[in-house]
Amino acid sequence: EDQVTQSPEALRLQEGESSSLNCSYTVSGLRGLFWYRQDPGKGPEFLFTLYSAGEEKEKERLKATLTKKESFLHITAPKPEDSATYLCAVPHRDNYGQNFVFGPGTRLSVLP
Amino acid sequence: DAEITQSPRHKITETGRQVTLACHQTWNHNNMFWYRQDLGHGLRLIHYSYGVQDTNKGEVSDGYSVSRSNTEDLPLTLESAASSQTSVYFCASSAGTGGYNEQFFGPGTRLTVL
Repeated sequence: EDQVTQSPEALRLQEGESSSLNCSYTVSGLRGLFWYRQDPGKGPEFLFTLYSAGEEKEKERLKATLTKKESFLHITAPKPEDSATYLCAVPHRDNYGQNFVFGPGTRLSVLP
Repeated sequence: DAEITQSPRHKITETGRQVTLACHQTWNHNNMFWYRQDLGHGLRLIHYSYGVQDTNKGEVSDGYSVSRSNTEDLPLTLESAASSQTSVYFCASSAGTGGYNEQFFGPGTRLTVL
């Protein structure tokens, strides 16, 4: 069964304290890995798509990397406005067709 | 700018009532999805559509229905609302064929069933 797990469940950082979030997946035939940011009371906002092991994408203080079994979202010198829940998702095929399975998310808090 | 909107943003209803949540996108995307998000469960797929007149059941479809009569809209209907359907509902859309492209989400509808 295709699964996506994320760790840690929650992370508290001081402003400027860099760290990484993990997304591990088990899916046959990876067709991309997607990162989203979700602010409280809002819908998920698309950040990155990674398609192959070794690929990296960057956006401001965020850098996403991909290996054959996991992805990392590195946050460099975070600011309080980076506080959000970060979700990862992989496309898969199951009885319901070609869709996404989402991880449970990592809730990031960046303290000033 | 293209966008995806949901209405209402908040809804309180009673057990047994029929409720319809609206989703409208101006991306001209073929694919549209409905999810519910609950603490401890993350995002779970309810129904999805890959084009006009196409609808499919997702992981948690019992008690819900959808219809797709045009590209822009995918309304979600709760036939007889139950307290277990209290949740935050998100609509999403994506381009291309099938469901492998990035999905863009609406702002959500918070539904409370009393």
